Amino acid sequence: SQTIHQWPATLVQPVGSPLSLECTVEGTSNPNLYWYRQAAGRGLQLLFYSVGIGQISSEVPQNLSASRPQDRQFILSSKKLLLSDSGFYLCASTTGRSRGGYTFGSGTRLTVV
Amino acid sequence: LAKTTQPISMDSYEGQEVNITCSHNNIATNDYITWYQQFPSQGPRFIIQGYKTKVTNEVASLFIPADRKSSTLSLPRVSLSDTAVYYCLVGQITGGGNKLTFGTGTQLKVEL
Repeated sequence: SQTIHQWPATLVQPVGSPLSLECTVEGTSNPNLYWYRQAAGRGLQLLFYSVGIGQISSEVPQNLSASRPQDRQFILSSKKLLLSDSGFYLCASTTGRSRGGYTFGSGTRLTVV
Repeated sequence: LAKTTQPISMDSYEGQEVNITCSHNNIATNDYITWYQQFPSQGPRFIIQGYKTKVTNEVASLFIPADRKSSTLSLPRVSLSDTAVYYCLVGQITGGGNKLTFGTGTQLKVEL
């Protein structure tokens, strides 16, 4: 079964600072990878997804970016954080046979101050 | 992508059966229906998945009528620990990869 590792669990960053969140996947190869954000009390908003190394699709134009340097590594970045970037960030993966079954990481709580 | 509609919140008491219904009127022929559970500050956790009729596992049952335009997640004899947000997700992941849209979910609150 798949396992997703996300770190850090919590992060407090000042406005204008850079961001790098990392996600790695174990137990599968060639997964589809996703970054979601969840604002307090809200649903999950898809930010980026990737079907392979170097392949990134953006769902929401914003000051965030994503990269996939390795098959099982997905990175979410920002050059300058905004207050509105605060939220709960989740990495998820699926395989070609999952039929909609996502495996989620434990998430990173980001607070921009 | 099939859009889903769920109640925003539901309240129940320990020991009761809880049924959460999700509407998905434009579900496609190849779409599956998947339910997730999310606790605060955790990632969603897969509960159950189905295509048609009824599916049952150790934690829940999923009822899907013949027209597949809705589905009902049934949680038998809930406890306080079942207090969480429940998401209905409709679609499929192809080998080429695509994305599914999570709705706002249903906040279930279980009390003594």
